[in-house]
Amino acid sequence: GENVEQHPSTLSVQEGDSAVIKCTYSDSASNYFPWYKQELGKRPQLIIDIRSNVGEKKDQRIAVTLNKTAKHFSLHITETQPEDSAVYFCAASLETGTASKLTFGTGTRLQVTL
Amino acid sequence: GAVVSQHPSWVICKSGTSVKIECRSLDFQATTMFWYRQFPKQSLMLMATSNEGSKATYEQGVEKDKFLINHASLTLSTLTVTSAHPEDSSFYICSARRALEQYFGPGTRLTVT
Repeated sequence: GENVEQHPSTLSVQEGDSAVIKCTYSDSASNYFPWYKQELGKRPQLIIDIRSNVGEKKDQRIAVTLNKTAKHFSLHITETQPEDSAVYFCAASLETGTASKLTFGTGTRLQVTL
Repeated sequence: GAVVSQHPSWVICKSGTSVKIECRSLDFQATTMFWYRQFPKQSLMLMATSNEGSKATYEQGVEKDKFLINHASLTLSTLTVTSAHPEDSSFYICSARRALEQYFGPGTRLTVT
């Protein structure tokens, strides 16, 4: 089955700096890669996703890049703000049009300091 | 859109009793829902995939007779933890699938005493 590794486990940046979280996956057939943000005690929320037919996707301060050859994808947050502090999870799945499951990374705890 | 609710948000029960958790997609129909378990400061562990009108698919190591899943309609899936024990205490989160995306419920914190 799919295996997703995520680094770093914790990340502390100063407000205004950029943050980068990296994930690698094992199944070359995986074609859907979402990122979730989870604040303490709350539900994971989808913040951005990318499909294997594109290499990069951007939404305001958040961007995701995908390298299919190397089987890794990254989340980039620019101009970080204190409200970006949370745990971020990457995930991967093979979407075939029928039910398919997400395999999650182990999470990155991002702390944005003033 | 894509709102998922979960009930109850927290529950305390005694060992040996059963607890039912509901997961509802409020503004869309979901033929597939997922049940996860999350331990403190850890990732989400998929327990089972709930398919409307058919049997759930359980992940390896998850006891189907202990964690009963019913997906009787396109907007509701239930997870029943039977004969609960303290080691079942955890944060249980459901998600509902719409197109390729999964939208999560707010979670249920179960404490078994």
